[in-house]
Amino acid sequence: NFMLTQPHSVSESPGKTVTISCTRSSGSIASNYVQWYQQRPGSSPTTVIYEDNQRPSGVPDRFSGSIDSSSNSASLTISGLKTEDEADYYCQSYDSSNWVFGGGTKLTVL
Amino acid sequence: QVQLQESGPGLVKPSETLSLTCAVSGYSISSGYYWGWIRQPPGKGLEWIGSIYHSGSTYYNPSLKSRVTISVDTSKNQFSLKLSSVTAADTAVYYCASLLLPHWFDPWGQGTLVTVSS
Repeated sequence: NFMLTQPHSVSESPGKTVTISCTRSSGSIASNYVQWYQQRPGSSPTTVIYEDNQRPSGVPDRFSGSIDSSSNSASLTISGLKTEDEADYYCQSYDSSNWVFGGGTKLTVL
Repeated sequence: QVQLQESGPGLVKPSETLSLTCAVSGYSISSGYYWGWIRQPPGKGLEWIGSIYHSGSTYYNPSLKSRVTISVDTSKNQFSLKLSSVTAADTAVYYCASLLLPHWFDPWGQGTLVTVSS
């Protein structure tokens, strides 16, 4: 089994761009899709990125996803930060009937 | 549009079995796809508990496998979670979710808080 490691927290100012990383411990990050979920306090997680870089309908194009095989990691980038983007973000992937979540990153927009 | 709703006791005694049900609307479970359970202890991150295919094949988190049973009831269009021998460490918000693509949990239910305490 593999693990996904995320930074515990990140912070940035409104209007700026922030990137959250998600590093896979073993196996190739490119071998299985990565999803990103946003969770606001008291709410269920919702998808902001699926299949590495796809946005569900309704998610603004300020949200983008990518993978980097050289660092074996995935990234979520949010541009033009808004205060409403302040939330916890989780990456998730899947391998051999085993679903794995990253530990989550708290994004503060200040 | 698929919707999910968890239900079950909010309080379970230590050493007993936690039982939750996820009612699915807007889609027939027997038609396909995977269905999953995820939990989140207070103030902590998400942990995958297990998933079930519509045919009944199950997949469990290795760390919980000895205590978890997930089943599906196509006649009621719902699936269920049982977690045995619970301790305070099992206190969490429990979510059910659909996997309309096998790698992607979406959508999620609203979650239900289960507290393990005597």
